[in-house]
Amino acid sequence: SAVISQKPSRDICQRGTSLTIQCQVDSQVTMMFWYRQQPGQSLTLIATANQGSEATYESGFVIDKFPISRPNLTFSTLTVSNMSPEDSSIYLCSVGQGIGKETQYFGPGTRLLVL
Amino acid sequence: AQKVTQAQTEISVVEKEDVTLDCVYETRDTTYYLFWYKQPPSGELVFLIRRNSFDEQNEISGRYSWNFQKSTSSFNFTITASQVVDSAVYFCALSEASGSARQLTFGSGTQLTVLP
Repeated sequence: SAVISQKPSRDICQRGTSLTIQCQVDSQVTMMFWYRQQPGQSLTLIATANQGSEATYESGFVIDKFPISRPNLTFSTLTVSNMSPEDSSIYLCSVGQGIGKETQYFGPGTRLLVL
Repeated sequence: AQKVTQAQTEISVVEKEDVTLDCVYETRDTTYYLFWYKQPPSGELVFLIRRNSFDEQNEISGRYSWNFQKSTSSFNFTITASQVVDSAVYFCALSEASGSARQLTFGSGTQLTVLP
């Protein structure tokens, strides 16, 4: 499986600021995904990021709040904009692999605390 | 719409006991994939297994085994002779073959605590 890294691993931010999370993969992948995991909760898909096209956002998530870049096949960023304490979560990126890309492998996650 | 239910919120066992984590799913697709992931306290999500809907053969990997039953829409996970290192949150997930971009739907997770 691909090796996925995320930066930063954790951060504490002030309300109203923005944070950009980076996701780096050691091989070229078509599909990359961004998830949010709020404290004590399950994972919720934010958006799907394919290289060369705009990200596809799930219901409840908008580009103004969570802009995503996908400049090449090994890298993506997720920005959490104008943060509030409700944005405190673990943010995870994943890539689809396997014959039909049906298996997703996850990065280590970014723990975000907004004060 | 697809849905995954993990009714067990928390389970606590003593080391060396066997434990089964339940997973029930809903889907209208005839072709789909089921997954189990482990999330230790470090937060990383570790892939454990993928099962295709057309393959109902149960699988064993060391102390782990999975029981897939389409008749009851269940995909249960058993840990034999549990160890303290098995303590984690375990997520069951579903992906429909017809869904766009292979989206995963996760269950709410089961927190497993193995006591020494």
